[in-house]
Parts: sequence; structure tokens; C-alpha cells
Amino acid sequence: DAGVIQSPRHEVTEMGQEVTLRCKPISGHDYLFWYRQTMMRGLELLIYFNNNVPIDDSGMPEDRFSAKMPNASFSTLKIQPSEPRDSAVYFCASSRPGGPNQPQHFGDGTRLSIL
Amino acid sequence: RKEVEQDPGPFNVPEGATVAFNCTYSNSASQSFFWYRQDCRKEPKLLMSVYSSGNEDGRFTAQLNRASQYISLLIRDSKLSDSATYLCVVNEGGGADGLTFGKGTHLIIQP
Repeated sequence: DAGVIQSPRHEVTEMGQEVTLRCKPISGHDYLFWYRQTMMRGLELLIYFNNNVPIDDSGMPEDRFSAKMPNASFSTLKIQPSEPRDSAVYFCASSRPGGPNQPQHFGDGTRLSIL
Repeated sequence: RKEVEQDPGPFNVPEGATVAFNCTYSNSASQSFFWYRQDCRKEPKLLMSVYSSGNEDGRFTAQLNRASQYISLLIRDSKLSDSATYLCVVNEGGGADGLTFGKGTHLIIQP
């Protein structure tokens, strides 16, 4: 079975540019999560969706960040305008129905560098 | 504020030895607990869930101490391939929004 698929794997861009990260969850998983990982702060939950509906976006750092899930098989995380402090690894994860006892399956991540 | 604390290490352990590390959590209402493993420049992967009565999976044993609010991971007969960062994950229940990751414990198994 295909796992969580993220694209691009790497992104290097100049500050001020728009960045769009993409995620395809595992088929049949109805939870989708976006995380950001840095050395200083570890893995932080940015936002998560259940059945394509955003449930909690309290982890989104500021208005420059937005996320959408137009259908069950696709989600985007957008940063506009990007800043150097946004440089991090961004992970998407999905999990099956069943609440908190279900493990999350992570994609390979997108390594984002903002110059 | 949710807090999940881990000793960042690194723990340098000779191959074949037994190693254990803990993770403390602040919310006594927490209901689900997991250990994830993350290799360098890779994504986190579920290692094992942690059950109230403790559970074992091969060389790995996970335990929960609710009274003291910590979970532990013990690795027996450590292998070079066990070198990784181990992330403690605590879910406060009622949905996925209570999921909190520790910053991880870095383990290095030395030949």
C-alpha cells in the first residue's frame, strides 16, 4: 500500500515568495495532520483535518500560513509571504478512524529553506 | 500547557547492552501513549503503543506509570540499527488534538 505522499521533497526559495506544500494521505484515513519540525522546537502540530474539515488550527503560527483539504485525497499547506524563520521540515501524517488510539503515518517530509 | 519531557541525550551505549529511557507528561488526564522512532533525516515511525499493563514487542518493552506520570522504553540486546531518536507521544484523549510529541531522546549504539 502507498504511504503518505508529500511533495516537493525539498524546496529552496527566497523570502517573500509563496510556498505550497502538498500531501496525499493514505486511502481510507480520515484524519490528516500537518507538522513542522525544527531542532529548537521539535515536532509541532500546525493543523489537523477530520473528514476534510479543519478541526484545530491553533498551532498555525500566523496568518501567513493557511491549509486546505479540498477532498479526501489531497491537502495543501501554503506560506505567503515566506520568511527565513519558516525554514524547517514539514511533515504530513494521516490516521484511520478511531480516535486517539490510532497511530499516525507520516510522509517523508518537505525540507523547506527560505533564504 | 501540555508538556512532554524527554532527556535529549545522546545516550551512547555499547552494542548488546540494555538501555532504558523515560518520558514524563504533565496532564494526568492523558489517555494514550506511544513511542515513535525517527532516523536521521527521515520521518517519525510508530515503534509501539504503550498500554496500562505494560507491553513487549521483541527486544522492546514499554511501561506506563500513571502515578508518577511517565512512560518508559527499554531496549534489550541493543543493535547498531537501534541508533535513532525515540519520540514519546502523549494523547490526552477526546480526539487527535491532544497529541503532543516530546523532542526525542537520541540513542547511539556503538560497536
